[in-house]
Amino acid sequence: DGGITQSPKYLFRKEGQNVTLSCEQNLNHDAMYWYRQDPGQGLRLIYYSQIVNDFQKGDIAEGYSVSREKKESFPLTVTSAQKNPTAFYLCASSIMGTGWGEAFFGQGTRLTVV
Amino acid sequence: QKEVEQDPGPLSVPEGAIVSLNCTYSNSAFQYFMWYRQYSRKGPELLMYTYSSGNKEDGRFTAQVDKSSKYISLFIRDSQPSDSATYLCAMSARAGGTSYGKLTFGQGTILTVHP
Repeated sequence: DGGITQSPKYLFRKEGQNVTLSCEQNLNHDAMYWYRQDPGQGLRLIYYSQIVNDFQKGDIAEGYSVSREKKESFPLTVTSAQKNPTAFYLCASSIMGTGWGEAFFGQGTRLTVV
Repeated sequence: QKEVEQDPGPLSVPEGAIVSLNCTYSNSAFQYFMWYRQYSRKGPELLMYTYSSGNKEDGRFTAQVDKSSKYISLFIRDSQPSDSATYLCAMSARAGGTSYGKLTFGQGTILTVHP
């Protein structure tokens, strides 16, 4: 079945550590996104990528980094510079071009700083 | 000011009621409009997708877009307890615009339909 797979589902991080969240899609979508969701804040865009080896900062990119070496994969690293990383992280993908608009989401990774 | 504004609610209605959810936006380049439903601790799923102005109906759901007022709505008829979720509006710009390829979401409205 086609879809987006995020792993792990739950992740615990000690202060000062970097952690990487995985996102893989087999939908052959060009664009991929990372969002952060906090209670009462909706979804805030961290990074997005429209093509392999290219990505753009979203609204809250500080303390995060990404790579897009393959079309199917868009991992997100939460660095120690991110001061408040505890949140629900969502990865999404969509087609580009005429008719673009529908984004498919993974089931999320809940990151907790301990 | 946020590009997309959505009343977070919470909204509580009895089963069978008509629900109206709304978003306003400020970016005139937005041309793709979407509504997502998110159950607790899950990823959002697409409910409705509309391009430019007009209405679109799918079963009990109707999406309306009024670009002149920069206002979009989602109506749910005969609401059911299973409709209880967070509803998120999302938008993006036409090709060539500075926001093309970037989805911008509202805060989400928490809806509870009680039996």
